[in-house]
Amino acid sequence: AQKITQTQPGMFVQEKEAVTLDCTYDTSDPSYGLFWYKQPSSGEMIFLIYQGSYDQQNATEGRYSLNFQKARKSANLVISASQLGDSAMYFCAMREGHNAGNMLTFGGGTRLMVKP
Amino acid sequence: GAVVSQHPSWVICKSGTSVKIECRSLDFQATTMFWYRQFPKQSLMLMATSNEGSKATYEQGVEKDKFLINHASLTLSTLTVTSAHPEDSSFYICSARGAGGDITDTQYFGPGTRLTVL
Repeated sequence: AQKITQTQPGMFVQEKEAVTLDCTYDTSDPSYGLFWYKQPSSGEMIFLIYQGSYDQQNATEGRYSLNFQKARKSANLVISASQLGDSAMYFCAMREGHNAGNMLTFGGGTRLMVKP
Repeated sequence: GAVVSQHPSWVICKSGTSVKIECRSLDFQATTMFWYRQFPKQSLMLMATSNEGSKATYEQGVEKDKFLINHASLTLSTLTVTSAHPEDSSFYICSARGAGGDITDTQYFGPGTRLTVL
């Protein structure tokens, strides 16, 4: 079964508008961390934001915020005031507690295209 | 954030040759480094996890004799694609995390290496 699911292969958003990228996850581990990365056409993976399973508040980092709904096992990324430079692939990833020293599991990604 | 470099950024080689890709953590000590492979328009697939001074742990389906990983120091890991063939052409990305061993540790990624095997 997929551990991380991103159901939107591609999305368009108008410049200056907000956009939500969906991510659902599957784990039985009570301790886990959720990450979002941006991958522009250059290929580099850029860390955006982190949410821990025990965090009481939704994470925010500048224009990025994470809509964490634990009961629904979703961790959607919200980008406010989209900019042309936000056009990129976005990946949601999870690290499970029993794998604390180990790897991230990635979703399939969402390609975001910002229209001028 | 921390900086991870990769070298080379791209390489073209003939079928049958071996290619070495270096991954360095520039401003922190990386006890664990990861190697990923990414095909066009697809997600990252973990190939192996390497801890400094020990043998790498390969994911199922990844040939350890073909993809040799060495993590000799806390700042350097290398991936050698031995006897490369066209099907090995891909984007290879390394990442590194520090010594904290905490679930919150951010994994920092290198810029990737595009390998093309003719």
